Amino acid sequence: GDSVTQMEGPVTLSEEAFLTINCTYTATGYPSLFWYVQYPGEGLQLLLKATKADDKGSNKGFEATYRKETTSFHLEKGSVQVSDSAVYFCALGTQGGSEKLVFGKGMKLTVNP
Amino acid sequence: EPEVTQTPSHQVTQMGQEVILRCVPISNHLYFYWYRQILGQKVEFLVSFYNNEISEKSEIFDDQFSVERPDGSNFTLKIRSTKLEDSAMYFCASRVRGVAGNTIYFGEGSWLTVV
Repeated sequence: GDSVTQMEGPVTLSEEAFLTINCTYTATGYPSLFWYVQYPGEGLQLLLKATKADDKGSNKGFEATYRKETTSFHLEKGSVQVSDSAVYFCALGTQGGSEKLVFGKGMKLTVNP
Repeated sequence: EPEVTQTPSHQVTQMGQEVILRCVPISNHLYFYWYRQILGQKVEFLVSFYNNEISEKSEIFDDQFSVERPDGSNFTLKIRSTKLEDSAMYFCASRVRGVAGNTIYFGEGSWLTVV
């Protein structure tokens, strides 16, 4: 079945460091891909998405490119801030039917000043 | 910005008791979902609901679980006889329609603790 594998962490970085969170997927067909973020005490918020191969999603300085050849959707940010401290979830949207989301395990990021 | 709202934010219940978690999806959305997240684990799909019926459910969603849209706004998840392992954060979510890549919007979750 469809699945998502991502770096689990936890990861601690200093402010202004470069961030990469790896995410790979297994799916039939061509799913849409998402990154969701969960800030402390809050629900899941969409960070960015890509719906087809080679699409790049971007938001708040974060970027991820849909790579069909490597079945990956790695999240990157050039310079993290303390406010980026959160749990990051990679997810795919299954095709057909209810098009539910299948999530990775999530990665907790802490950014120190 | 429209949002999905959930109540209660936290509920403690005794094992064997019935629990109802409530959600108000975004008003023009047509697809509704429940997910859960056991502490420290991944977010798991429970059930999807469209056109007043379940469109898909996971293995987790057994006979102890049910969903309902009793009126035009609320969407509820009922657990008939709670078990300790039902302790989790339950997220309600909705989307406009079933077009690939449409964003699913989540509520802030309802923490359920079964003691």
